[in-house]
Formats: sequence, structure tokens, C-alpha cells
Amino acid sequence: NAGVTQTPKFQVLKTGQSMTLQCAQDMNHEYMSWYRQDPGMGLRLIHYSVGAGITDQGEVPNGYNVSRSTTEDFPLRLLSAAPSQTSVYFCASSRGGSSYNEQFFGPGTRLTVL
Amino acid sequence: SQKIEQNSEALNIQEGKTATLTCNYTNYSPAYLQWYRQDPGRGPVFLLLIRENEKEKRKERLKVTFDTTLKQSLFHITASQPADSATYLCALFSGYSSASKIIFGSGTRLSIRP
Repeated sequence: NAGVTQTPKFQVLKTGQSMTLQCAQDMNHEYMSWYRQDPGMGLRLIHYSVGAGITDQGEVPNGYNVSRSTTEDFPLRLLSAAPSQTSVYFCASSRGGSSYNEQFFGPGTRLTVL
Repeated sequence: SQKIEQNSEALNIQEGKTATLTCNYTNYSPAYLQWYRQDPGRGPVFLLLIRENEKEKRKERLKVTFDTTLKQSLFHITASQPADSATYLCALFSGYSSASKIIFGSGTRLSIRP
């Protein structure tokens, strides 16, 4: 039982490049979400999904896209990277259709945009 | 606007003492609150959840209180140990549905000195 896995661990991008951050969970959780964590600002919700085929925006969705074709996977796409997207990104999952329950976080992806 | 504050960026206490961390919020009516622990370079790990109609929750050496009148939650670690050193995050949830809003505090970095 691997829990929540994220790849890559580290990534450096140039402004304007695109990339996909991968997230997978093997706990059959319905709810999955993406956060970014910046110094002094806490975790901020980017996008979330309450089940396969259903996604919605969080607090800071601009510049990011998501899709949920399977229960297990929830990739986050950066369309055209900007220096303001330099951050640590965490994926999380929880059982049921809400973040109400205990959230399990992945180890994070540290992204630098030059 | 909705705001959540954790008492201080850093807290240093002597081993064996009780550590008390504070989470205050304004312009918000949370249905429930969670506390997480985060170690450097890792994702947050769930510790405790407390609902709006609960005054107190305990788990081993941990205790959480929730005062909706004062708009405050207190997180206590009794008989603290150096291994308790970490950043602790509080998270507030506005409801129980999939559309519930979640807000994380920026965290308090706790250091326990031997």
C-alpha cells in the first residue's frame, strides 16, 4: 500500500514551458486535491475532484488544469509556466466525496520556474 | 475576508513541558477543524479532527479544543519530546459537502529542546 505518490520530486522549468505533475493513490479514495505551499502562506487549494470525471476549482486555479479519468490518478498540468508558480506542490486524497475526512498527502513536488 | 492565524511562526519549549499552539480565525464559521504535523521536506500528516459541536478531543499526548465563541482552537502536546519538533498546521472546513471550503493556516514551527 503505497498511499499517495507524486512524481517528479524536483523539477526546473523555463518560463513558458508546460509540464504535468503526476499524482496517484492506491486507497480507492474518491476525493483528491492539489495544493501549493509557499513560505508564510500555508497550503492553498488549486483544484479538487470528488470522483472520476468530476473536478472543480479551488482558491488559486489560474494557470493550472486538471482531469480525473480514473479513481487512482489526478494529474496537474501547468499550461505555460511562470516564475509565480515556483512552489512546492502537494497532492492529497481522502475517502468519501469531501475533504471532510482525514487527508493523506503525498511527499510533494518542488518546482522552480526560471 | 476570511482569515486564519496560527499564534506564532515559531515556538521553543523545554522537553517535558506542555506545548500549546493556537489557531484563530475571523469571518468564518467552520463546521470542523483538523490539525496536521509537517516535517521538513515531507507532506502533512493528519493528527486530529474536531467538530463544531465538540469542545475537546484527545489522542494519546495530544489534545485539541474548539471554541466557536472565541473563534479559536488550541492544540496541546503534553510531556513534549524532541521528536515532537515539527511544523503544525490547522485547517478549517466550512461544511460537510463536496463544495466545502478549506483553509489552512501557515503553521507554527515547534522546537522542543532537551
